[in-house]
Amino acid sequence: DAKTTQPPSMDCAEGRAANLPCNHSTISGNEYVYWYRQIHSQGPQYIIHGLKNNETNEMASLIITEDRKSSTLILPHATLRDTAVYYCIVRGNSGGSNYKLTFGKGTLLTVNP
Amino acid sequence: SQTIHQWPATLVQPVGSPLSLECTVEGTSNPNLYWYRQAAGRGLQLLFYSVGIGQISSEVPQNLSASRPQDRQFILSSKKLLLSDSGFYLCAWLRSLSPEAEAFFGQGTRLTVV
Repeated sequence: DAKTTQPPSMDCAEGRAANLPCNHSTISGNEYVYWYRQIHSQGPQYIIHGLKNNETNEMASLIITEDRKSSTLILPHATLRDTAVYYCIVRGNSGGSNYKLTFGKGTLLTVNP
Repeated sequence: SQTIHQWPATLVQPVGSPLSLECTVEGTSNPNLYWYRQAAGRGLQLLFYSVGIGQISSEVPQNLSASRPQDRQFILSSKKLLLSDSGFYLCAWLRSLSPEAEAFFGQGTRLTVV
């Protein structure tokens, strides 16, 4: 059972920023927030992760709220190739949860031309 | 660099036939290994994970089994396939149990049971 909640689908115009929300209200202090995406018929691909601070890499930015109960993945300039299912998961190192990678249903992001 | 190999890419098997899917990881030692299944239009379901040779944890009761005969080899098997075993099977590995370690996935095997 996933510990995150995401909207089932979102649309975004090509070239605009895509902001994907994730709720993780039961996150514990040592759990990281991870984002992956899965393009149709491929294996999921790692995007970014964070603990408390906002993070940025060449693919995306991750904004985590101060209470850490939610986060937003930002794709600054979405392209058609960013159409995929985006998964938000939390993972820590307590209670055996470090072994498990549990994915929810994710958000299907459709980038429109 | 580390890579993960999964084969075959596609497979069509009759009901009642056996199954063996193989996953191997290169460029690392003692990886944590996972098998997932994704039914059509559904999310990723964790089937098995392994933290070492011969150590298998099952997440859901099912018609499948897993084995880890070598450090970097993870095998998913069935003695008799059911129609409901159809799906997209993914192998993944985790470099360490550190919360900062990201997972890497293979390209998957699409299994159709007919």
